[in-house]
Amino acid sequence: AQSVTQLGSHVSVSEGALVLLRCNYSSSVPPYLFWYVQYPNQGLQLLLKYTTGATLVKGINGFEAEFKKSETSFHLTKPSAHMSDAAEYFCAVRTTQGGATNKLIFGTGTLLAVQP
Amino acid sequence: NAGVTQTPKFRVLKTGQSMTLLCAQDMNHEYMYWYRQDPGMGLRLIHYSVGEGTTAKGEVPDGYNVSRLKKQNFLLGLESAAPSQTSVYFCASVTPGRGSYNEQFFGPGTRLTVL
Repeated sequence: AQSVTQLGSHVSVSEGALVLLRCNYSSSVPPYLFWYVQYPNQGLQLLLKYTTGATLVKGINGFEAEFKKSETSFHLTKPSAHMSDAAEYFCAVRTTQGGATNKLIFGTGTLLAVQP
Repeated sequence: NAGVTQTPKFRVLKTGQSMTLLCAQDMNHEYMYWYRQDPGMGLRLIHYSVGEGTTAKGEVPDGYNVSRLKKQNFLLGLESAAPSQTSVYFCASVTPGRGSYNEQFFGPGTRLTVL
């Protein structure tokens, strides 16, 4: 079985500060991991994904995440927050339950606030 | 391409009423999914489809039915709406990759309130 845990339902940072959003996963198969962003009143948009290969993954809008197998983590970071980064962020892991159906298990989300 | 579209964007129902939510995608994707999003619970899978004419239950299927008569459309039905079905509903689609794991593309959501 697979699951993800996002630590911190709300994170607040100042503009220009480091953004760190935490995600830990549990997976009985090699994990495929995703970060999605949801801006207010919109659908989810993929930020980045890890499937195989390089463990440091770069995504859109200056975000990146590092897959750490030993820590079962896939934390999302951005060196310098912008006001436009204010949104809800979801970590997700593929699930193999029910066969190869590309299904995802989502975390409960982290709402990022950026203070001027 | 319009991507994934959802109809309607907003709806208010009374308990016991029925309705159908429509999801359409123009990317020729094989798989489609219906999720509900509730505060503090993330997205939970209701039903999904891996091809035209096929559907399967997800994590929270009770009270919902689905149909995929055409490849590009995935319908979610509520036969007798309950207040517990007040939520934001998202549709997503993807074509499975060969040797890769493609991400799901999401629609803009339907905000449903059941009184």
